[in-house]
Amino acid sequence: QKEVEQDPGPLSVPEGAIVSLNCTYSNSAFQYFMWYRQYSRKGPELLMYTYSSGNKEDGRFTAQVDKSSKYISLFIRDSQPSDSATYLCAMIKAAGNKLTFGGGTRVLVKP
Amino acid sequence: ETGVTQSPTHLIKTRGQQVTLRCSSQSGHNTVSWYQQALGQGPQFIFQYYREEENGRGNFPPRFSGLQFPNYSSELNVNALELDDSALYLCASSWVDSEDEQFFGPGTRLTVL
Repeated sequence: QKEVEQDPGPLSVPEGAIVSLNCTYSNSAFQYFMWYRQYSRKGPELLMYTYSSGNKEDGRFTAQVDKSSKYISLFIRDSQPSDSATYLCAMIKAAGNKLTFGGGTRVLVKP
Repeated sequence: ETGVTQSPTHLIKTRGQQVTLRCSSQSGHNTVSWYQQALGQGPQFIFQYYREEENGRGNFPPRFSGLQFPNYSSELNVNALELDDSALYLCASSWVDSEDEQFFGPGTRLTVL
């Protein structure tokens, strides 16, 4: 069983819809949680970085962490075609440690 | 502030050959991590370098090796290439023990025939 599970998708939504992404993890040692966006043949770009359980909002993006359930989510409001990409969840056990990624979810926002 | 750069952008090798990939870390960062991303999968941690020493390693065989130089740039070397080594190789730089993000380069796409 992988430490971090993520539905591979693809997830297709119409422009303007809310995109909902999630990951589950098995190791309670994970303390820091991130969401990266990766366009085709490019390196991952950090979108959101959270530490504690709860919600964190940044513009159209909201990240949720539920450590008791070992479950994290990313919501994208008012989705745009430019949001079409692969979204990777990642987590680390301590500052400076290696990132453990989920497999990524492909998202397609249709105009 | 310059970002993380990697070279080459892509290359093609044959089984059994050796390859060296290069990474220049972001200005001010002293730690470099390397990841392998197979097609359709998430990146997998290979190893991390800090102060020119390996500072953690993932589940990769010894034919994957690395170097970090005094200017914090880094190399990833892979010997005896196998078909399964075909992947996007990503370099990420950060400040050691920092809660700050790891900044990724654009990657080097390696194809092994």
